[in-house]
Amino acid sequence: EIVLTQSPATLSLSPGERATLSCGASQSVSSSYLAWYQQKPGLAPRLLIYDASSRATGIPDRFSGSGSGTDFTLTISRLEPEDFAVYYCQQYGSSPPITFGQGTRLEIK
Amino acid sequence: QVQLEESGGGVVQPGRSLRLSCAASGFTFSSYGMHWVRQAPGKGLEWVAFIYYDGVNKYYVDSVKGRFTISRNNSKSTLHLQMNSLRVEDTAVYYCARDLRPVGSLGDPFDYWGQGTLVTVSS
Repeated sequence: EIVLTQSPATLSLSPGERATLSCGASQSVSSSYLAWYQQKPGLAPRLLIYDASSRATGIPDRFSGSGSGTDFTLTISRLEPEDFAVYYCQQYGSSPPITFGQGTRLEIK
Repeated sequence: QVQLEESGGGVVQPGRSLRLSCAASGFTFSSYGMHWVRQAPGKGLEWVAFIYYDGVNKYYVDSVKGRFTISRNNSKSTLHLQMNSLRVEDTAVYYCARDLRPVGSLGDPFDYWGQGTLVTVSS
């Protein structure tokens, strides 16, 4: 089973700043099959990025993903007020099981 | 528009059973693999089970193997999760979710999710 470790656990930034979230895998993620999700309180997760760097339908271009192997990054170039939420990475290349990271909480500073 | 709507959650005693359903609409249900994902209160996401678009292959997280069964009825566009021998640690919001790409195997992210249904296992 691939264990995903996200850092930092909490990130405090201001609107307009750049956010960099990391996801490390315990072993190489096959075919860069890694996704990022955003979740707001009381709502279901929303797919942002898949296959490490492809933006999902309707996702603004301020969201970008990069990485391969065991190290992946989600970057939000310029934070909007609606971007403050919890972010999860997910690997689906070496499954079962599909696994998620423990999440990074992006909070307003 | 794609919609997924879960139902069947509730409060149940340890050792009892519960059956969750997910009604799908707005897409060709029979072409997509489907998942159940759960989230314990205040915790992160945990993948639970997956079923191929045709229902032939199924996969489970180890913690539910032998207790949970995923199934689907393509003629009714419905996904199910039969949960037996429930434990306190199964308490969570259960989401159904769709594979991003049709006719795939267990190797796709989830592009649509339902709103979730809460299962509480407590004596």
